[in-house]
Amino acid sequence: GDSVTQMEGPVTLSEEAFLTINCTYTATGYPSLFWYVQYPGEGLQLLLKATKADDKGSNKGFEATYRKETTSFHLEKGSVQVSDSAVYFCALSKQGNQGGKLIFGQGTELSVKP
Amino acid sequence: ETGVTQTPRHLVMGMTNKKSLKCEQHLGHNAMYWYKQSAKKPLELMFVYNFKEQTENNSVPSRFSPECPNSSHLFLHLHTLQPEDSALYLCASSQDKGAAVYNEQFFGPGTRLTVL
Repeated sequence: GDSVTQMEGPVTLSEEAFLTINCTYTATGYPSLFWYVQYPGEGLQLLLKATKADDKGSNKGFEATYRKETTSFHLEKGSVQVSDSAVYFCALSKQGNQGGKLIFGQGTELSVKP
Repeated sequence: ETGVTQTPRHLVMGMTNKKSLKCEQHLGHNAMYWYKQSAKKPLELMFVYNFKEQTENNSVPSRFSPECPNSSHLFLHLHTLQPEDSALYLCASSQDKGAAVYNEQFFGPGTRLTVL
C-alpha cells in the first residue's frame, strides 16, 4: 500500500544552520505531496505542497522539490530560527473520494537552539 | 472562534468511563475527519464525514463511535477504552470540491487523551 517514510528525529540544530529533513514515499499513480508543521500545543498546519513531478513547493523560507525518479520530497531551509522548532510531517494524497486521503509519515521533531 | 476548535484539550478517563470529544469548524467546510496521533507513529485516519455522511471507517474498534449532527460539528464518543488508546486525537475539516482536486485539510489543536 501507499506509505511515507521520514528520517528519524529529533533533529537538533543551532540557529542559522541549514536544515534537511528527508522524506521518501511509495505510491502508485501520481500522488500530491505535502509538508505539514505542528508547533507545540497546536494542530497541524499546511507548510507547502507540490502536485506534480519537478514542482517545488515553498513557504516561510522552506522548500521541497517533488522528485519522481527518487520518490522523494525532502524539506530544506537555508537558515533555521528558534521559532522553527516543531514537528514536521511529510504526507501524500491521491485523488479520489473525499478529495484525497492524507497518508502521513511518522513526523520529525526539530529543535533549534539559540 | 475561528478555524477548527476542539474540546476538551485534555481528558483523563478510566477504562469504564464514557466520555465524548467535540470538534467544531467555523470555516464553512463540508467534510470533517478524526485522526489519532500516537507517539512515534504516523497519524492514523479514523473516520471521514462528507456532507454529514460517514464515508470512511478505517477499521476502528467499536469503542470509538463518531457522530456528525451537522456539517459544523463532529463528536467522538468513547466507551470502555484501553490504555493503548491514550493519544492525541485530532479533528480536521476541508471543503470537498470533488475527486479530482486535493482539498486542504485544516486541523484543530487536538484533545490529549489519557486512559488509566
